[in-house]
Amino acid sequence: DIQMTQSPSSLSASVGDRVTITCRASQGISNYLAWFQQKPGRAPKSLIYAAYILQSGVPSQFSGSGSGTDFTLTISSLQPEDFATYYCQQYYTYPRTFGQGTKVEIK
Amino acid sequence: EAQLMESGGGLVQPGGSLRLSCAASGFAFSNYAMSWVRQAPGKGLEWVSTLHGGDDRTYYADSVKGRFTISRDNSRNTVYLQMNSLGAEDTALYYCAKEGRASGSYPSYWGQGTLVTVSS
Repeated sequence: DIQMTQSPSSLSASVGDRVTITCRASQGISNYLAWFQQKPGRAPKSLIYAAYILQSGVPSQFSGSGSGTDFTLTISSLQPEDFATYYCQQYYTYPRTFGQGTKVEIK
Repeated sequence: EAQLMESGGGLVQPGGSLRLSCAASGFAFSNYAMSWVRQAPGKGLEWVSTLHGGDDRTYYADSVKGRFTISRDNSRNTVYLQMNSLGAEDTALYYCAKEGRASGSYPSYWGQGTLVTVSS
């Protein structure tokens, strides 16, 4: 199985900060990488697929990059509604696997 | 706009069975793969199963293989998850998700989830 490792597991940041979350795959997955946002008590929401393509309706402060084994999710200017937990997932092969999540908290 | 509504969760004893349903609307259901993803209390997301549209290929996590069965009824726009031999480790919020295409990709849209609790 492909292991997905996110870092950091959590971070504290202020409104307006630039935030970067990394996701590393245990083997190459080309660009078959998605990012999700989950707020407390809510279902996950798709943010990015194919490593860098924004899902329709997702604000432009979100961006993704990477290919192969190393990927990043960047929030260019953190907004109050962006405080949440973020997950990456590889869909290169089955079984699909998620990263353990990165919790973005208010500093 | 896609809508997914899960149902069928509840309290079940260890060793018991439960069938989850996910009613879909707002998109051409038969043209998309559908998945189940679960989240144990306070934990991260765990992929459970995917059923392709078109060829009806099924895929399962090792943790549920042989115990869970995913199926779909395109005439009812509904996907199911039959869960047998349930154990405490299956306690979780189960999400239904629409994937990006028929042959499976990423979960592009998620339902609100249905809670399964396995306890005596």
